[in-house]
Parts: sequence; C-alpha cells; structure tokens
Amino acid sequence: GAVVSQHPSWVICKSGTSVKIECRSLDFQATTMFWYRQFPKQSLMLMATSNEGSKATYEQGVEKDKFLINHASLTLSTLTVTSAHPEDSSFYICSAPNRAEISYEQYFGPGTRLTVT
Amino acid sequence: QKEVEQNSGPLSVPEGAIASLNCTYSDRVSQSFFWYRQYSGKSPELIMSIYSNGDKEDGRFTAQLNKASQYVSLLIRDSQPSDSATYLCAVAIFGNEKLTFGTGTRLTIIP
Repeated sequence: GAVVSQHPSWVICKSGTSVKIECRSLDFQATTMFWYRQFPKQSLMLMATSNEGSKATYEQGVEKDKFLINHASLTLSTLTVTSAHPEDSSFYICSAPNRAEISYEQYFGPGTRLTVT
Repeated sequence: QKEVEQNSGPLSVPEGAIASLNCTYSDRVSQSFFWYRQYSGKSPELIMSIYSNGDKEDGRFTAQLNKASQYVSLLIRDSQPSDSATYLCAVAIFGNEKLTFGTGTRLTIIP
C-alpha cells in the first residue's frame, strides 16, 4: 500500500478569498497526482492531472485560472482555489499512483471539505 | 454510452450473504481494473485490483474479470454491516494512470 495525506481536512472561507490545499505522498514518490471534486451524492469528477516539474493538465470545463495546481516536488502537489464562491463548496480529493508497484495502483488522500460562505 | 457503468443501487443484502457488484466498460483497450470502497463523507479506499481474466481473491473479496464481455465484478462473502458503503469501479488504459470511474453502487448490509 501507500499513504497519501491532505491538508487541511476541512476549511471554511469567505467568498472572494483563496484557499490552498496540499496533497502529499508520504512513503513514495509521485511524479503524477490527480485532483478530484465530489459533490454530495455524486461520483468523483476528475479536475486535473498534476505533473511534477511541468504544467498541470486540466479536464474539459475546469477553469485553469481558478484552480491553480503546482507540483513542486516528487511528494507534494497543491491545489489553490482562487476567488472562491459558494458554488466551489465541495469535497476535494487527491490521488497518486505508486509507480514502485507494478500495478500503478492509485491511493487517495482523505479529502478536504471546502465550505465557502 | 457511459465509459464505465454500474448499477447505482441501492443494493440490500442480508448479513452473512454474498454481495455481488457488477461493472461494465466500453473501451476495449482497458487494461487495469480497480474496486474502491467509499464510506459516506470519506475518500475512496482501494479494495482490489485485477488485470487478467479470471478470479482474484483477497480475504472475503473476490474480483472477477471477463475482458471478452467487458465485465468486471466484485463479490463480498459473509457480508458484514461494516461493508455498507458505495463501491466504485475504476478502469485504466495500459500506460495511462488516469482512472475512469463508474458512478458507484450503494450497498447496504442488513443485520
């Protein structure tokens, strides 16, 4: 297995402010990480692929200027929600494949619950 | 047609019985298949992965893959109330780490 952590686990912010969420691979290196968003009673929605040392790849319909992704090291990716609005309130989850495993199994962080007031 | 399809449920199974969860996928070049369990308010947890046709067993869980039929399933034996959760099927194409998820099946184990 592998461990992925996220910080913070929950955050409340005011509309118009920015929030940064960290995703760390604790016991393996992750050149790629994925960011998902999940609304209540809905499935996971992939937002973007975070690539160490290069630009993130965003899924169609995801605003890259609003959701800034930085993958500065082999164990850390950050997602910054800029100028947050109430509709950005959601459960944000990151995942990372452990390439040391043949299967490239992906492990999820515990998630960050964002509430924008 | 959705790329990965699951019956959304809810699926109710008596405690101690076998729960059977099904998933079909549309892309024939899919190579890796995963089952995740997600409790309400929590992030997904990897339960099983399978890559070859046939069965793969891990404790009370058995994953079954039939690439010809583009079908993957998860059996949970001796179901426990703690197995009540949403089960997500995920598929990846060889060499591509990006997963495509089904919408999940909500499973309830009835004591």
